[in-house]
Amino acid sequence: KQEVTQIPAALSVPEGENLVLNCSFTDSAIYNLQWFRQDPGKGLTSLLLIQSSQREQTSGRLNASLDKSSGRSTLYIAASQPGDSATYLCAVRSFSGGYNKLIFGAGTRLAVHP
Amino acid sequence: GAGVSQSPSNKVTEKGKDVELRCDPISGHTALYWYRQSLGQGLEFLIYFQGNSAPDKSGLPSDRFSAERTGGSVSTLTIQRTQQEDSAVYLCASSLSTGKETQYFGPGTRLLVL
Repeated sequence: KQEVTQIPAALSVPEGENLVLNCSFTDSAIYNLQWFRQDPGKGLTSLLLIQSSQREQTSGRLNASLDKSSGRSTLYIAASQPGDSATYLCAVRSFSGGYNKLIFGAGTRLAVHP
Repeated sequence: GAGVSQSPSNKVTEKGKDVELRCDPISGHTALYWYRQSLGQGLEFLIYFQGNSAPDKSGLPSDRFSAERTGGSVSTLTIQRTQQEDSAVYLCASSLSTGKETQYFGPGTRLLVL
């Protein structure tokens, strides 16, 4: 059974810091992995999608890496800003988890203070 | 074009009443998903529609939950005889098809059962 874990559960940093959010999954036979952002009271915004054949994806100040063999992904945020404050969710689509659905981690709640 | 839309945005109902939640996917997206986000539970998959294929209902928690998708577009999630544990945010997502594509989420419907 696929399980997704995110560490840390919460993170508070001063503006300007580079930071890393971690995601791990128990079954390495994944199809793809997706990082989302969720603002309070809002839906999910897709940030990056990494296919199983890829090792990383970049979008602006965000870089996501994937190490399928070790069951890990990291989301790197460069030069953090207060506007980055949100909950970040990692989700995988895998064969054991059910091909048709995403299995989500519990999220990392990020606060970036000025 | 417009993103995924959901209605109502908030719904308060009494225990035992039926509720209907609506999702309008992005035009042209053939895959549609329903997820539930409960406090302390994280995001869980409920049901998946792909074109004219039979839906994947493996995530529905009980037979009080049902969903339909008419004409391959709009979807309605129905909860009969609501219980307090049904209180959650119900999120809808759509994608171009299945597999490699990014899932785009709506803002959700916040359901409170009194």
